[in-house]
Amino acid sequence: ETGVTQSPTHLIKTRGQQVTLRCSSQSGHNTVSWYQQALGQGPQFIFQYYREEENGRGNFPPRFSGLQFPNYSSELNVNALELDDSALYLCASSFAGDNEQFFGPGTRLTVL
Amino acid sequence: AQSVTQPDIHITVSEGASLELRCNYSYGATPYLFWYVQSPGQGLQLLLKYFSGDTLVQGIKGFEAEFKRSQSSFNLRKPSVHWSDAAEYFCAVAPYSSASKIIFGSGTRLSIRP
Repeated sequence: ETGVTQSPTHLIKTRGQQVTLRCSSQSGHNTVSWYQQALGQGPQFIFQYYREEENGRGNFPPRFSGLQFPNYSSELNVNALELDDSALYLCASSFAGDNEQFFGPGTRLTVL
Repeated sequence: AQSVTQPDIHITVSEGASLELRCNYSYGATPYLFWYVQSPGQGLQLLLKYFSGDTLVQGIKGFEAEFKRSQSSFNLRKPSVHWSDAAEYFCAVAPYSSASKIIFGSGTRLSIRP
């Protein structure tokens, strides 16, 4: 059974650029959630995708957007990058209705 | 609004000593409660969870946590820590309607003294 994987591991961008982060969910999981973890903080919920539709969103602006594909993998897109977007981005997958999420190792994004 | 408070930013204990990490939550009803551990450069691993029933829950790696509704607390304990327990620990809460939309505390960093 393959766990949650994320790519890339690290990424450096400059202000104003756009970035796409990718996540492959654990086998059998149909729900993907994305979190932002700033340095020294706990993860913050960005949004969740189920059946290729956004299924709940945290307090993040519209320049944070996502996609879920038929194979349940997911992308997080961030437009017009700001310095404060520098963080570890975590993806978690679960089966709808289940109460446990499985987290990937994260993508470390640095915005200069 | 839902929130989680972990009052201890950093705790150091000696190897073999007991451990208690504090967590208080604010929520209108009984939520789902979790403890996660994060080692440097790693993702989050679930230690244990509480949804209902017995208020003392057992988790992996010898950890346990006790839900106290009157105190809105969900403290994590371990009777004897090992050097490998050094990590960041996060308490988290999720609404009963959706256990996937988790709200995390700011974390407690645990250091182990040899």
